[in-house]
Amino acid sequence: QKEVEQNSGPLSVPEGAIASLNCTYSDRVSQSFFWYRQYSGKSPELIMSIYSNGDKEDGRFTAQLNKASQYVSLLIRDSQPSDSATYLCAVMERDDKIIFGKGTRLHILP
Amino acid sequence: EPEVTQTPSHQVTQMGQEVILRCVPISNHLYFYWYRQILGQKVEFLVSFYNNEISEKSEIFDDQFSVERPDGSNFTLKIRSTKLEDSAMYFCATVLAGGFTGELFFGEGSRLTVL
Repeated sequence: QKEVEQNSGPLSVPEGAIASLNCTYSDRVSQSFFWYRQYSGKSPELIMSIYSNGDKEDGRFTAQLNKASQYVSLLIRDSQPSDSATYLCAVMERDDKIIFGKGTRLHILP
Repeated sequence: EPEVTQTPSHQVTQMGQEVILRCVPISNHLYFYWYRQILGQKVEFLVSFYNNEISEKSEIFDDQFSVERPDGSNFTLKIRSTKLEDSAMYFCATVLAGGFTGELFFGEGSRLTVL
C-alpha cells in the first residue's frame, strides 16, 4: 500500500516566524510532488508543485525535495494568521494517480 | 469564477438510494478526478478519467460507483446504492490541457449525507 505520511499536528508557529512542514512517501518511483492548502470546510488549493531534487521558491513558500530520502517539505516564511490551515502533501504515484497525506494542521499565533 | 463547478453543494439521501454528483469544468480541462473526504479524514483518491475512459481507480471505487462524461462537458459520479459510510465530501478535480503536470484544480465539493 503506497502511503504519504505527514505529522497531523497541530503545529503552532508565532506570526512572522518560519513554518516547516514535512512529508515522506513510500513509492520510490514517484516523480511529481505537490503541496495543497485546505481551509476548514473548503476544497484543497494548490500552493506548489516540485518535480526535481532541490528547492523551489514561490514568494513566501519554498518546497524542498529529496528523492533519495523520499522526503518533501514546505517552508512558509514570515507566517501570517491567514496561513492557518491544513497543509496536504500529495504525490503522483504512477500514470496519473495522485494520492494525499492526512495533512498537517498549522496554527499561526498572532 | 471557479475553474470547476460542482452540483449539488449538499445532498441528503436515504440509504440505498442512487446519487449523481456533477462536475462542470471550464474548457481546456483534460483529466478528471473524483476524490472523497470523510469528515476529519484525509482526501482519498477514487478515480481518474482521461479521454472518456477510466485511467486509474482505487479499492474504494467498487461496483457501486461509476463515472461518465455523457455530453463532453459534465463529468458525473454515480453511487448506485448509497451506504451510511458513503457520507462524505466529494471533490471533483481537473488538470488543464497542454501537458499533464498533475496540478489539480478542485471544485468546491458536494457534501453527501446518507441517512
